[in-house]
Amino acid sequence: KAGVTQTPRYLIKTRGQQVTLSCSPISGHRSVSWYQQTPGQGLQFLFEYFSETQRNKGNFPGRFSGRQFSNSRSEMNVSTLELGDSALYLCASKRQQGPYNEQFFGPGTRLTVL
Amino acid sequence: AQSVTQPDIHITVSEGASLELRCNYSYGATPYLFWYVQSPGQGLQLLLKYFSGDTLVQGIKGFEAEFKRSQSSFNLRKPSVHWSDAAEYFCAVGLYGGSQGNLIFGKGTKLSVKP
Repeated sequence: KAGVTQTPRYLIKTRGQQVTLSCSPISGHRSVSWYQQTPGQGLQFLFEYFSETQRNKGNFPGRFSGRQFSNSRSEMNVSTLELGDSALYLCASKRQQGPYNEQFFGPGTRLTVL
Repeated sequence: AQSVTQPDIHITVSEGASLELRCNYSYGATPYLFWYVQSPGQGLQLLLKYFSGDTLVQGIKGFEAEFKRSQSSFNLRKPSVHWSDAAEYFCAVGLYGGSQGNLIFGKGTKLSVKP
């Protein structure tokens, strides 16, 4: 069974640009969550999508947005990039909502903003 | 607000020695507790989880963790560390959604293994 895949794995952008990251969950998983990981702040929750609807949203500015498609694949978009957006962005999928369902993480997309 | 504390940022142990990584949580109800491991350049892999029942849970790769409600702790242990265990370890509490999402992570403990 294929795991969670994320594309691209590495990305370099400049300030002011926008970026789109993609996540393909494990087959049969309907929930996709996104996390930002930085050395200073650790792992922070961005948002969760389930059945194409955003169910939860973390405390990030509106520049961070996402969506989920009918096949459960998800994208997140960051507009007007700032230096502080440099981070590892992790996607996680699980079969259903709820904290008792195991989340499976992808390898992440490393975003560098210059 | 709910929180998870991992007091040790970095731990170094010798190969073959025992290991204990500490985790304390702040949560009103009975928590869902997890330990994840992250190798360099990789995503997170679930080591073990605790929902209810026996307070000593076994996980993959020879790891175990003990839930102690009175101490609000969920420490991770391994009797004999292997060089391949060098990685970063994250403790997490599961929630029912909200702005913190379904998982609140600690800041992580980086484990180095000496030959």
